[in-house]
Amino acid sequence: AQTVTQSQPEMSVQEAETVTLSCTYDTSESDYYLFWYKQPPSRQMILVIRQEAYKQQNATENRFSVNFQKAAKSFSLKISDSQLGDAAMYFCAYGDYGGATNKLIFGTGTLLAVQP
Amino acid sequence: DGGITQSPKYLFRKEGQNVTLSCEQNLNHDAMYWYRQDPGQGLRLIYYSQIVNDFQKGDIAEGYSVSREKKESFPLTVTSAQKNPTAFYLCASSNWGRGSNQPQHFGDGTRLSIL
Repeated sequence: AQTVTQSQPEMSVQEAETVTLSCTYDTSESDYYLFWYKQPPSRQMILVIRQEAYKQQNATENRFSVNFQKAAKSFSLKISDSQLGDAAMYFCAYGDYGGATNKLIFGTGTLLAVQP
Repeated sequence: DGGITQSPKYLFRKEGQNVTLSCEQNLNHDAMYWYRQDPGQGLRLIYYSQIVNDFQKGDIAEGYSVSREKKESFPLTVTSAQKNPTAFYLCASSNWGRGSNQPQHFGDGTRLSIL
């Protein structure tokens, strides 16, 4: 069964600095998707970024980028120029490709604090 | 605007009572999902539905029931058999199809507590 591990329960970053959140996963599949979701204090889950495993190029969305290491089964999120609004819980998630469902498996989350 | 609406925002359950959480989407998505979120844990899948009149158990379905009579609606009933229902419940939806994994869009959630 697939698993997702986020080993950093909490992280802190100074405003305007860069922070990297870690995520590792385990799967026997060769094709899959990986996601980072953000959950601010409002509790709504917001998709931050998505990576297809068959793409070697790392995904980027404005200040958010990933470092996808397929062999190491690692999928870290880098937030550049951190802003106060980035403070939230961040969840890493794994999804099957070509499977019968779009089920997602979530990690336990990393709570990011942004210091002014 | 398209989106997912969950209601109520807060819900209280008495012992032995069934309660139903509402989830409606106007995104024309085929698939809908219910997750439970507890402190210190990620989201855990309760039930999911890929098409009207069909649904599947997720990882923690015991004590819950669902229906999918309309494409846009996927209500979750927390039955009296669920002995620890206090949690935050999130509903999600996505397009669905083999060979793809469409991002899931989430509602604002319902917090359920025991009286």
